[in-house]
Amino acid sequence: IAGITQAPTSQILAAGRRMTLRCTQDMRHNAMYWYRQDLGLGLRLIHYSNTAGTTGKGEVPDGYSVSRANTDDFPLTLASAVPSQTSVYFCASSEADNSPLHFGNGTRLTVT
Amino acid sequence: QKEVEQNSGPLSVPEGAIASLNCTYSDRGSQSFFWYRQYSGKSPELIMFIYSNGDKEDGRFTAQLNKASQYVSLLIRDSQPSDSATYLCAVRHGGQGAQKLVFGQGTRLTINP
Repeated sequence: IAGITQAPTSQILAAGRRMTLRCTQDMRHNAMYWYRQDLGLGLRLIHYSNTAGTTGKGEVPDGYSVSRANTDDFPLTLASAVPSQTSVYFCASSEADNSPLHFGNGTRLTVT
Repeated sequence: QKEVEQNSGPLSVPEGAIASLNCTYSDRGSQSFFWYRQYSGKSPELIMFIYSNGDKEDGRFTAQLNKASQYVSLLIRDSQPSDSATYLCAVRHGGQGAQKLVFGQGTRLTINP
């Protein structure tokens, strides 16, 4: 089934640990995104990539990094997790930068 | 002023009635507009998108766009309990780039049987 796969589904992480959230899409979409969703704050863009080989910072990039080595994969790395990074993380993709977004099922991350 | 504003609700509508969800945005250069539905604990799923002024209908859903007044709305006809969810409005501001999409905080809709 075509779509976006995120892993893990959920994770409890000790503060200070490094963590990579995985995101893979099989729709050959050019653009990919990482959002975090927090109660009362809605969806906020962390990082994005318009095409393979390029990335950019969104609204809340601090503490996160991304890479886009190929079209399909867009991992999000927390170099040293902090409790404020406890959130639900959604990866999304779009065919072009003005197309609708398609979301993965999300990763629920708890940093203790 | 928030870039994209929605009434957080909850909005309660009786089954079979019309649910009306509204969204206003601040950037007059906005090009495209999207409505997503999000069930509790799930990811957002696209319901409709609209690019031009006027109405766009898809089944029980109608999106309405008024660029002069800077609002976009979503009407749900013959509301069903399965329509109970949070509805997210998203607006892509003018200019190039994937990063231009801004989400509202969402309106929680409850359809009462």
